[in-house]
Amino acid sequence: AQKITQTQPGMFVQEKEAVTLDCTYDTSDQSYGLFWYKQPSSGEMIFLIYQGSYDEQNATEGRYSLNFQKARKSANLVISASQLGDSAMYFCAIGSWGKFQFGAGTQVVVTP
Amino acid sequence: DGGITQSPKYLFRKEGQNVTLSCEQNLNHDAMYWYRQDPGQGLRLIYYSQIVNDFQKGDIAEGYSVSREKKESFPLTVTSAQKNPTAFYLCASAQNPAVGGIGNEQFFGPGTRLTVL
Repeated sequence: AQKITQTQPGMFVQEKEAVTLDCTYDTSDQSYGLFWYKQPSSGEMIFLIYQGSYDEQNATEGRYSLNFQKARKSANLVISASQLGDSAMYFCAIGSWGKFQFGAGTQVVVTP
Repeated sequence: DGGITQSPKYLFRKEGQNVTLSCEQNLNHDAMYWYRQDPGQGLRLIYYSQIVNDFQKGDIAEGYSVSREKKESFPLTVTSAQKNPTAFYLCASAQNPAVGGIGNEQFFGPGTRLTVL
């Protein structure tokens, strides 16, 4: 069984600052992927970044980076230089061979 | 354009009625999924299918049914047995992990908001 925990229900961040969203997971699978999605108020789910369990380097995609600490089973998302358009719900997910489990999400509000 | 379409965007249902939500993808993905999202909550898996003519129950399958007769289509029926069906429903698809490995992210449709009157 897989489990994802996001302990921060909501966060405020000032524009241009960095923010870290926490994600811890539990799985008995040896191979798995960790994913982050953004959900704006419109409801669509937007894929942001992926980290494989065997990847030694932390993933980066533009302003998004994933701080992967396998031994601690954590996969935190870092958003650098926050923009007003980053205001949204953010979900961490774990996937293994076609099955995915999502966390409860963290609401981020970026203020001017 | 490749993607996932869901229809309708908004759906209203009277209590006791069955209703079917449509999900179509042209990404040539083998796997398809249905999730339910309640306000301020995460996504909960209802059903998923990794191949045509086969599907498995997710965490909250009671009161729902699905079919997978074509690769492109994975309709979800919300039956009258579902006691609290008002929610946002998201359909997703992903490449077969046997093809791309564990790193295949899910692609999501725009969602259907179902309200029971």
